Amino acid sequence: QLQLQESGPGLVKPSETLSLTCSVSGASITSSYYHWGWIRQPPGKGLEWIGTMYYSGSTYYNPSLKSRVTISVDTSKNHFSLRLFSVTAADTAVFYCARVPSTYDPNWFDSWGQGTLVTVSS
Amino acid sequence: QSALTQPASVSGSPGQSITISCSGTSSDVGAYNYVSWYQQHPGKAPKVMIYDVTYRPSGVSNRFSGSKSGNTASLAISGLQAEDEADYYCSSYTSSRTVVFGGGTKLTVL
Repeated sequence: QLQLQESGPGLVKPSETLSLTCSVSGASITSSYYHWGWIRQPPGKGLEWIGTMYYSGSTYYNPSLKSRVTISVDTSKNHFSLRLFSVTAADTAVFYCARVPSTYDPNWFDSWGQGTLVTVSS
Repeated sequence: QSALTQPASVSGSPGQSITISCSGTSSDVGAYNYVSWYQQHPGKAPKVMIYDVTYRPSGVSNRFSGSKSGNTASLAISGLQAEDEADYYCSSYTSSRTVVFGGGTKLTVL
């Protein structure tokens, strides 16, 4: 059974870097059948796509975050990571990692982590 | 990229049917048949209800259905039940190879 679990600091200071990891069990992160993504949700607000890493290694990011975000994979640990640089209070959100189960439609996410709240505050 | 446009709220009585719209542009909703819908209960992760405009993942009730006309997609829920009360989000693939979500719709079952 596929499980995704986000982990990382719950509190980050302004101007610093937010770093999260998504541990995947029940599927290989190197499988050519899946892509992997990050989505966030500010408290009381809607979902915002952050970016998706394709199985090929290509990454695509939300244009509004592209200059500050990196998604990478560690195949030895079967996990993928998010780094968001120069954070501000506006980056406070619940961050979700998720799987894209389709190689032709990169739009939908079938399995999600439980989410982790990251607060940006001094 | 701009968020897709959804009504802020919709409501219906048990047993009734409702529809939630999701308006985009020719660069996202209208460009591909890659629209999905998510249900989110408070404090929970989203759950996909519809993908590729009309397809339901295994385990999702057939009371949920999706459609699209031009730049607008829709989610229909028939036979409303109390458990359907949740927030609903649409999303679409875009011509820039990105993903955009709608602002979300709060469904209230009266």
